[in-house]
Amino acid sequence: AQSVTQLDSQVPVFEEAPVELRCNYSSSVSVYLFWYVQYPNQGLQLLLKYLSGSTLVKGINGFEAEFNKSQTSFHLRKPSVHISDTAEYFCASYENNQGGKLIFGQGTELSVKP
Amino acid sequence: ETGVTQSPTHLIKTRGQQVTLRCSSQSGHNTVSWYQQALGQGPQFIFQYYREEENGRGNFPPRFSGLQFPNYSSELNVNALELDDSALYLCASSEPTGTETQYFGPGTRLLVL
Repeated sequence: AQSVTQLDSQVPVFEEAPVELRCNYSSSVSVYLFWYVQYPNQGLQLLLKYLSGSTLVKGINGFEAEFNKSQTSFHLRKPSVHISDTAEYFCASYENNQGGKLIFGQGTELSVKP
Repeated sequence: ETGVTQSPTHLIKTRGQQVTLRCSSQSGHNTVSWYQQALGQGPQFIFQYYREEENGRGNFPPRFSGLQFPNYSSELNVNALELDDSALYLCASSEPTGTETQYFGPGTRLLVL
């Protein structure tokens, strides 16, 4: 069955430090993978997506993620975070012929401290 | 380009009542999906509408129903509200050529007392 696991529920970091948010997925077929960000009291904003091609995907706000099929992972990285990156981050997967649903992880709360 | 919009932003209902939430899809998008996000959780897929028909459904009871209109806007209806229905309800729309990429609206916060 399709599933997504975010390995860290909370990640505290200092401003200008690098960060990695970890995501593992489970699927028996090809999947598409996504990272979304949710600021307090707001909806989800698409950060980046992997559909096919290069395994290193670049997104908005300086974020990037690497698709690793052998490790079934799709970790999100940023080399230097800002206070404004403080938010909840969700990893999601999508399989064709599954009725259009995105499967989300539980979320990782990124807290950037000065 | 207008993004996905939802109304109302907040809603308070009592147990047993019925509620209707509304969503306008992003320009050029013809597919709408609805998700429920409980506090501290990731969003859970309720259903998806394409060409006014339900295209897929998650593990939600029949009292959760929906509609899609010819202009691709959509409604989510929930009957016989329960306390556990309190959540953020998110609508997302997709392009005709790529329903996997879903763009979300700001959500409707529903509180059931």
